[in-house]
Amino acid sequence: GQQVQQSPASLVLQEGENAELQCNFSSTATRLQWFYQHPGGRLVSLFYNPSGTKHTGRLTSTTVTNERRGSLHISSSQTTDSGTYFCAIDHNYAQGLTFGLGTRVSVFP
Amino acid sequence: DMKVTQMPRYLIKRMGENVLLECGQDMSHETMYWYRQDPGLGLQLIYISYDVDSNSEGDIPKGYRVSRKKREHFSLILDSAKTNQTSVYFCASSPQGQGVSNERLFFGHGTKLSVL
Repeated sequence: GQQVQQSPASLVLQEGENAELQCNFSSTATRLQWFYQHPGGRLVSLFYNPSGTKHTGRLTSTTVTNERRGSLHISSSQTTDSGTYFCAIDHNYAQGLTFGLGTRVSVFP
Repeated sequence: DMKVTQMPRYLIKRMGENVLLECGQDMSHETMYWYRQDPGLGLQLIYISYDVDSNSEGDIPKGYRVSRKKREHFSLILDSAKTNQTSVYFCASSPQGQGVSNERLFFGHGTKLSVL
């Protein structure tokens, strides 16, 4: 089945530093999404980005579908960015998303 | 207000008991999902529902069943719960029908289930 690999598994940042999270997947026939999980557990969608680059605030998502990879860039990190970031791709059109194991980000002041 | 609501938030059951996890959404989304999240395994899809009474197994359906009698409600049922079903369960919904990609999933807060 589809596989999604995220790196790094965890990341420690000092406030103000930038970070890049990577996502690699096993098929070209996919659409990629990024999710953020609060330390308390709530999952929120950050980006639906099948290809190209999208920006929201200090976050940038880039997907290069034919190279089977995506990235999430966090600029000028803040302590409120702490949490786990998940990459997910279409399992297939009828079978929901396949999630990576996530990157745990910790931002310290 | 776009929301996916899960009840209860926390649940403790004994092995062999039946468990009902409920999920509601107020966005009239056609598609709804149940996932479980475990350390080291990430989120795994249990069931997907394309609309009322139109459900499909996900990656790990064994030990679970679902019910969708109204578009806004999707229930997950564990008949005779097992200790390995201790997990955090997430419900999600998305605004498209069968055969279309999963754009913009909206998740509930999750239900933390402990089976003793």
